[in-house]
Amino acid sequence: AQSVSQHNHHVILSEAASLELGCNYSYGGTVNLFWYVQYPGQHLQLLLKYFSGDPLVKGIKGFEAEFIKSKFSFNLRKPSVQWSDTAEYFCAGRYTGTASKLTFGTGTRLQVTL
Amino acid sequence: NAGVTQTPKFRVLKTGQSMTLLCAQDMNHEYMYWYRQDPGMGLRLIHYSVGEGTTAKGEVPDGYNVSRLKKQNFLLGLESAAPSQTSVYFCASTRGPLAPNTGELFFGEGSRLTVL
Repeated sequence: AQSVSQHNHHVILSEAASLELGCNYSYGGTVNLFWYVQYPGQHLQLLLKYFSGDPLVKGIKGFEAEFIKSKFSFNLRKPSVQWSDTAEYFCAGRYTGTASKLTFGTGTRLQVTL
Repeated sequence: NAGVTQTPKFRVLKTGQSMTLLCAQDMNHEYMYWYRQDPGMGLRLIHYSVGEGTTAKGEVPDGYNVSRLKKQNFLLGLESAAPSQTSVYFCASTRGPLAPNTGELFFGEGSRLTVL
């Protein structure tokens, strides 16, 4: 079955620390990958996406993610987090032939302390 | 440009009551979705639609019905609400398979439903 998993459920970091959130997807043919962010009380917003080409994808707000096909991974990174990055982060995959449905991971809650 | 709009944003129901959540998008998107978000479970797809007049079941469809009578609207109905349906519901839309960069979903702001 097509699935997306996120390893970290709750991450606490100090401001300026580096961030890496794990995401793995199951094999199911061609997959497009996404990271969404949900700030407290708000809807999901797209951080970045990977369809093809350069496996290192840069998104908004200094985030980036690397698609590693051999590891079925699409980890999210940021060199230096800010307090305003406190949010919940969702990895999602869109498998071909699935009517553009997104399969979401369970989310990682990031808390950045001052 | 409103994007994806959900109404109502908050609702409290008693067990057994019925209600309808309305999702409206002004981006002329073909595909629309209803997800529910629960703590520790991420977003799970309830139903979706690939065009006006079509609907299909997602991962967790039981207890819900949907309709897509107009391209811009996607309604989610609860015929007999149960406490297990307490959740935050998100509507989303996307262009469709023939458009470039398909798969990017645009989300509404969510509807928080409590069933007592």
